[in-house]
Formats: sequence, structure tokens, C-alpha cells
Amino acid sequence: KAGVTQTPRYLIKTRGQQVTLSCSPISGHRSVSWYQQTPGQGLQFLFEYFSETQRNKGNFPGRFSGRQFSNSRSEMNVSTLELGDSALYLCASSLVGQGMDGQYFGPGTRLTVT
Amino acid sequence: KQEVTQIPAALSVPEGENLVLNCSFTDSAIYNLQWFRQDPGKGLTSLLLIQSSQREQTSGRLNASLDKSSGRSTLYIAASQPGDSATYLCAAMNYGGSQGNLIFGKGTKLSVKP
Repeated sequence: KAGVTQTPRYLIKTRGQQVTLSCSPISGHRSVSWYQQTPGQGLQFLFEYFSETQRNKGNFPGRFSGRQFSNSRSEMNVSTLELGDSALYLCASSLVGQGMDGQYFGPGTRLTVT
Repeated sequence: KQEVTQIPAALSVPEGENLVLNCSFTDSAIYNLQWFRQDPGKGLTSLLLIQSSQREQTSGRLNASLDKSSGRSTLYIAASQPGDSATYLCAAMNYGGSQGNLIFGKGTKLSVKP
């Protein structure tokens, strides 16, 4: 069974631009969560989607948004990029989420904002 | 608010040594606790998942225990090998309002010397 895939793997953007990252969960998994990892803050939760609905949200500004499609694939969008948005963005999938099963992570998208 | 702490931040051991990584959490109302491994620049690999009703889980040379009453989990690695060198992260999933997201520790960076 294929793992979680994320595209693109690397991205360089300029301040003020916007970016869209994509995540394809493990087949059959319906919950997708997004995390931001930085050297200073570590791994922080962004949001979780289940059946095309945002079910849980972390403490990030409204510039960070996401969505989930009917095939469970998810995208996250960051608008008006800031230097501090440079990070590794990880997505994780699980069967139903909410702690009933483990989360499985993709390789991440490395975003650099210049 | 759940806080997860991992001590030490870094650990260096000779090959063949048995070792224990520690994880503590402040809120015992967790749904599960998961241990991950992260290699430099890569995503997270799930190692072990312990549900709140369980006391321990084993996979090969790895054994993870959970003591909710004391707010602690340990990851035991037997007969360490250079290939075990990585950062090990523990993450708790809360029961209740913030279900759906993992709260991560900052990790323990393990180096196993040949």
C-alpha cells in the first residue's frame, strides 16, 4: 500500500506570494492533518480535515487555510507569505483520526521564503 | 494545555548499548501516545502507538511504555546500532476538545557511534 505523498517536495517563494501544497493520504484513510516544523518551534499542528470538513484547527493566522476533496486528498494554502513561514510542512493521514488510530506522515514539503 | 517534554535533547552512545528515551506530558487525559523517528530533512516514521488503555507496545528491538498517572512514557532501544541514529519524537493526542491533533515534544537526537 502506497504511503502518504506530498507535492512538491521543495519550493522557493518570495515574500508576499502565495503557495499551495498538496497531500495524498494512504488509500482508505479519511483524516488528513497538517503540521508545520521549524527549528525554533518544533512541530505544530495546523488543521485536520475529515470527509471534506475541517474538524480541528491549530493556532495559526488566517493566512493558512486548507481543504479536502471527496477522494480525501488535501491541499493547504498560505497567502501573503512571510519569511517566518519558511518551514517543513508535513501532512499525516489516518483512517478516522481523533486518536482512534495512529497518524502516518508524508516526506514533507520544504518551503523557503526569500 | 498539554505540554510534552523530552529529555535529554541529545544523546550519544556506543554501538550495542541499551538505552532509554524519556517523554513526559502534563495532561494525563490522553487518547494515545505515539513515538516517531525522523531522519535529517525527512518526514516522520511511526514507530509505536500506545492507546491510553495499554501499558506498553513492542516492535523488534523497540519497547515503549506508558504510565498515564505519572505522565510519562519511555522508549527502550535494545542493542543500539549506528542505523538507529536519528531524532526520536513522542507525541500525545488529547482526549476531548483538542482531539484530532498530536502535541509533539522537541525530540531527542540520538547518535550511535560504531
